[in-house]
Amino acid sequence: EDQVTQSPEALRLQEGESSSLNCSYTVSGLRGLFWYRQDPGKGPEFLFTLYSAGEEKEKERLKATLTKKESFLHITAPKPEDSATYLCAVQAGNNDMRFGAGTRLTVKP
Amino acid sequence: DTGVSQNPRHKITKRGQNVTFRCDPISEHNRLYWYRQTLGQGPEFLTYFQNEAQLEKSRLLSDRFSAERPKGSFSTLEIQRTEQGDSAMYLCASSSTGGETQYFGPGTRLLVL
Repeated sequence: EDQVTQSPEALRLQEGESSSLNCSYTVSGLRGLFWYRQDPGKGPEFLFTLYSAGEEKEKERLKATLTKKESFLHITAPKPEDSATYLCAVQAGNNDMRFGAGTRLTVKP
Repeated sequence: DTGVSQNPRHKITKRGQNVTFRCDPISEHNRLYWYRQTLGQGPEFLTYFQNEAQLEKSRLLSDRFSAERPKGSFSTLEIQRTEQGDSAMYLCASSSTGGETQYFGPGTRLLVL
């Protein structure tokens, strides 16, 4: 069965303190790995799609990387407005996505 | 705004009542998905439409749940005889044919008293 595990569950950073979020997955026939940002009470906001091991994508202070077993979301010099829950999801042979429980990021000024 | 929209945004109901939610996908997207999200968890897949055809259903979708997409545009999700365990955020997402990326709406938060 497809599984997605995110770590840590929660992460508190000082503004400017870079770090990484981890997403480990077990899936047969990965079609895509997705990162979303979710603010409290809102729907997930799309960040990145990664398709194959070795692929990297960047957007502002965020960079996502993919290996055969895990993905990392690197946050460089975070700001308080980066505080949110970051969700990872995988899509296999069917069309639904399997999500992890998320990492709650808090960035203190 | 050309994103996914959902109505209502919030719904409070009493146990045993029926509720219906609506989702309007991005206009050029022919795939539509429903998910449920409880506090502290990621979204869980419920069902998926391609145009008006419902192609997949999760085992989470009990017989009290029904979803329709009659003209291949908007979709409705109905929950009959609501239970307190149905309290959650119900999310809708859409994607284009051949496009794996799903774009989510703001969700409908349901509270069953």
